[in-house]
Amino acid sequence: GQNIDQPTEMTATEGAIVQINCTYQTSGFNGLFWYQQHAGEAPTFLSYNVLDGLEEKGRFSSFLSRSKGYSYLLLKELQMKDSASYLCAFDGGATNKLIFGTGTLLAVQP
Amino acid sequence: DGGITQSPKYLFRKEGQNVTLSCEQNLNHDAMYWYRQDPGQGLRLIYYSQIVNDFQKGDIAEGYSVSREKKESFPLTVTSAQKNPTAFYLCASQGRDTNTEAFFGQGTRLTVV
Repeated sequence: GQNIDQPTEMTATEGAIVQINCTYQTSGFNGLFWYQQHAGEAPTFLSYNVLDGLEEKGRFSSFLSRSKGYSYLLLKELQMKDSASYLCAFDGGATNKLIFGTGTLLAVQP
Repeated sequence: DGGITQSPKYLFRKEGQNVTLSCEQNLNHDAMYWYRQDPGQGLRLIYYSQIVNDFQKGDIAEGYSVSREKKESFPLTVTSAQKNPTAFYLCASQGRDTNTEAFFGQGTRLTVV
């Protein structure tokens, strides 16, 4: 079957670094997405990993290990506006389904 | 401007009524998706379509129906058979030429009154 798992909630302090983990199981896999979603709004794209390794994009970085079915999103120099839900999702290969996790609600505190 | 548009943004429906949510994209994307999101929850897949005139059930298709008569359009009908239809509905589209991000519409918040 296909499933994807991430922590429900996390709390971090402004200016700090936080890592949000995501594990997945699927028979078909093209790549892994990370999206940010503020309450009541549509998700916005953050990153897409196809190959193993770390991809850096400003304050945000995303890591993928295909063999371990594992990814993480790293947020540096946290700002209050980073308080949001962070959704990981995989593109399920031949099934072409885009499957999302339940999302991690990040609260950034002063 | 290219993008994906959902309408309406807010929708109220009486119990027992069918209602259709619109989703239109001008990104020339082949794949389109419908998701449901309940408060504090992630996105659950209702239906998806990879090509015109073809669509597949997602994880929670019961009580919903879709059509894909045109590449640009993927409307979702919430039928009276859906027991708990109040939710935030999101439509997304994705290109298939390369592995690219999925773009989301602004969402439709459906409330049954």
